[in-house]
Amino acid sequence: DTGVSQNPRHKITKRGQNVTFRCDPISEHNRLYWYRQTLGQGPEFLTYFQNEAQLEKSRLLSDRFSAERPKGSFSTLEIQRTEQGDSAMYLCASSLAGQGTEAFFGQGTRLTVV
Amino acid sequence: QQPVQSPQAVILREGEDAVINCSSSKALYSVHWYRQKHGEAPVFLMILLKGGEQKGHEKISASFNEKKQQSSLYLTASQLSYSGTYFCGTELQTGANNLFFGTGTRLTVIP
Repeated sequence: DTGVSQNPRHKITKRGQNVTFRCDPISEHNRLYWYRQTLGQGPEFLTYFQNEAQLEKSRLLSDRFSAERPKGSFSTLEIQRTEQGDSAMYLCASSLAGQGTEAFFGQGTRLTVV
Repeated sequence: QQPVQSPQAVILREGEDAVINCSSSKALYSVHWYRQKHGEAPVFLMILLKGGEQKGHEKISASFNEKKQQSSLYLTASQLSYSGTYFCGTELQTGANNLFFGTGTRLTVIP
């Protein structure tokens, strides 16, 4: 399968714990995006990378959130000291660089903070 | 910056047509349309670029009015498989490159 892959698919964690999600983009795509989606809403942009450089971060991304893409391939999104409000689906998407390019989404990681 | 979609929900019988609208208050470079089924990832349908270029789905058509910053998705002769939530994602002309998504239109096709 050459689509965008995300792991794990589901994560249940206790409030205050740290969690890390992984995204493997489509291999030839140099752009990688993280979005968050809550029930009944559209995806909300969190951050994106072009190759290994993190080029933009949303104001939604608090200091507890950090994302990396160390070698310009896979990316990780870490949430420290999770809160119940962090419960959501975390979606990763990838695309080629440039305006007007299609972005393809992974299946997402559903996070539940209890 | 979030676009506004209408209607919020629509129910169709198989074979009927529907139009979903997406409107932005910002100048747009492109509009991307996705369909998401419950519990699944959004699936890319098509992209409409400033200047008229379109890329995407064979059986679904859309339009993009650059002056009004509006796009419409046309679903004709709907099939049961068309059911899902449709999102428009807007790419601003500022070159920010990320997409701003609307709150979605829930489409249900019944036999």
